[in-house]
Amino acid sequence: EVQLIESGGGLVQPGGSLRLSCSASGFVFGNYYMAWVRQAPGKGLEWVANIREDGSDTSFGDAVKGRFTISRDNAKNSLYLQMSRLRAEDTAIYYCARVKAAIHFDKWGQGILVTVSP
Amino acid sequence: SYELTQPPSVSVSPGQTARITCSGDALPTKFAYWYQQKSGQAPELLIFEDSKRPSGIPERFSGSTSGTVATLTISEAHVDDEADYYCFSTDTSGHQRVFGGGTRVTVL
Repeated sequence: EVQLIESGGGLVQPGGSLRLSCSASGFVFGNYYMAWVRQAPGKGLEWVANIREDGSDTSFGDAVKGRFTISRDNAKNSLYLQMSRLRAEDTAIYYCARVKAAIHFDKWGQGILVTVSP
Repeated sequence: SYELTQPPSVSVSPGQTARITCSGDALPTKFAYWYQQKSGQAPELLIFEDSKRPSGIPERFSGSTSGTVATLTISEAHVDDEADYYCFSTDTSGHQRVFGGGTRVTVL
């Protein structure tokens, strides 16, 4: 069974930094693109970032470009999202997702809440 | 920036058919995907590559695309189908990944 478990969320002040982690199991992690998708309270889904299977290529949504980085450690079956210069509008549930065919998200974690507030 | 447009809400009676549309200029050349999100839960993939169902998804859920409009059809709607539904696709370059704004389906 595929499992994706996020950790590292919490309350952070505007301008601060936070690192999210996603622990994967139940599939060969190194064979898949991975992604982060977020959802602000009461709002819709927003794609945040993707990373290639070997970590050699990354892409980001316009709202986070230049502030967030995505990385992975295939030996540890782990995905990361380093968030910097956080803003109130970054407040959201952040989902870790497995990417199929380099495009769509076929498996999702349960999400982790990040709150950016003074 | 690229956008996918969905109606905010759709209502359907139990046993009837609901149709949710998703409009986007790149849909003639890019696949559409559909996700279901029930209250308090993570999204779940319903339809991929316009019309394919992952294993375990009931045949009541179907997808199609014609021109710039993708459509998710829910046949024989159940009360349990009440949820938010999101379409997803990319722009023509394939680099910008976008969700539609979501459609809340009410079964009553």
